[in-house]
Amino acid sequence: NAGVTQTPKFRVLKTGQSMTLLCAQDMNHEYMYWYRQDPGMGLRLIHYSVGEGTTAKGEVPDGYNVSRLKKQNFLLGLESAAPSQTSVYFCASSSRGFGTGGSYEQYFGPGTRLTVT
Amino acid sequence: AQSVTQLDSQVPVFEEAPVELRCNYSSSVSVYLFWYVQYPNQGLQLLLKYLSGSTLVKGINGFEAEFNKSQTSFHLRKPSVHISDTAEYFCAVSDRGSQGNLIFGKGTKLSVKP
Repeated sequence: NAGVTQTPKFRVLKTGQSMTLLCAQDMNHEYMYWYRQDPGMGLRLIHYSVGEGTTAKGEVPDGYNVSRLKKQNFLLGLESAAPSQTSVYFCASSSRGFGTGGSYEQYFGPGTRLTVT
Repeated sequence: AQSVTQLDSQVPVFEEAPVELRCNYSSSVSVYLFWYVQYPNQGLQLLLKYLSGSTLVKGINGFEAEFNKSQTSFHLRKPSVHISDTAEYFCAVSDRGSQGNLIFGKGTKLSVKP
């Protein structure tokens, strides 16, 4: 049981390049999230998904796209990377949202450190 | 909009001393509250959570937190810290009417010195 895994662990991009970050979970969780962590800013929600085939915007969605084609995977895409997107990206999953009897706990992956030059 | 304030960005403390990490939230509606810990170069791990019931919540590694609705606070405490508690701690809140999205504070770096 690997929990939440993220690929890649590190990446350096040049401005304008594109890339996709992959998040995978083996806990059969319905909900998945993408966050970015910047020094002194805490974690901010980029996009989230409440089930296969669904996605929704979080607090800071601009410049990112996501897809949830399979329940276990949640992809985060950067179409044209900018230096402002230099950050550590975390994926998380949870069994259900609130009010549905879920555990409410979000399980986090180890993170992807992205640098855009 | 909901917001979370962690009043101290850094807390240095000596080993075996008590510690309190402070967290206040803005919403007046019913909320769920969480504390997460992040060790260097790792993801976040849940320490404890308040969903309902007793306002004193016990978590892993000897930590506890008290929910105070009138002061909209959820401070984290440990009576005696260890070197291994050195990490960054995040308070998070979610409105009960939401889909489970968390709003995080900016974090408090706890540094335990020998």
